[in-house]
Amino acid sequence: GAVVSQHPSWVICKSGTSVKIECRSLDFQATTMFWYRQFPKQSLMLMATSNEGSKATYEQGVEKDKFLINHASLTLSTLTVTSAHPEDSSFYICSARLINGVNTEAFFGQGTRLTVV
Amino acid sequence: AQKITQTQPGMFVQEKEAVTLDCTYDTSDPSYGLFWYKQPSSGEMIFLIYQGSYDQQNATEGRYSLNFQKARKSANLVISASQLGDSAMYFCAMRERGKDYKLSFGAGTTVTVRA
Repeated sequence: GAVVSQHPSWVICKSGTSVKIECRSLDFQATTMFWYRQFPKQSLMLMATSNEGSKATYEQGVEKDKFLINHASLTLSTLTVTSAHPEDSSFYICSARLINGVNTEAFFGQGTRLTVV
Repeated sequence: AQKITQTQPGMFVQEKEAVTLDCTYDTSDPSYGLFWYKQPSSGEMIFLIYQGSYDQQNATEGRYSLNFQKARKSANLVISASQLGDSAMYFCAMRERGKDYKLSFGAGTTVTVRA
């Protein structure tokens, strides 16, 4: 199946700094990528939809200035957590959809565990 | 309103036995897809099985089968011959055509397989 690579798999950063997470589709082009956040033992919550060449669409309650998303190419989307605070500590995971994919599953990255100290 | 409901927070199953994970959904979109994912402790999301709203037959993939009851809006996952490696969190998800193909996830069910 298609491969989505997410980097880094884990990161620890100091409070107040920014962290960038990359999501790459390795063997297919993805016009749309999705970013999710997951707290321990909870479900995945969609944060935003990343569209190649245009602005991301954020879900209600997600601060777009806090979580900057850039989708500069058909194979790369980045999520930057700006001025991170301990409450931003979470598991972040991206997924990508194949172009013209209709009934195919979304392909997920491995996830990034962010810890803000 | 909850789009996807998984009512079983946790389940125990004996090795080699079958287990059914419940999932009900809510949509008015005639075109939608239902997914089951497995998430082990490592965090990766592993796709298990897919059922389209227009599919006539229940989906099967190896030891996984989906009991799709459209009128009841139910899409239960059946894992047969459970193995210790099946211990994980399982999520039911739905993708609606009218929602830009976003996935809505249920709360998840933790399955623990006992030897």
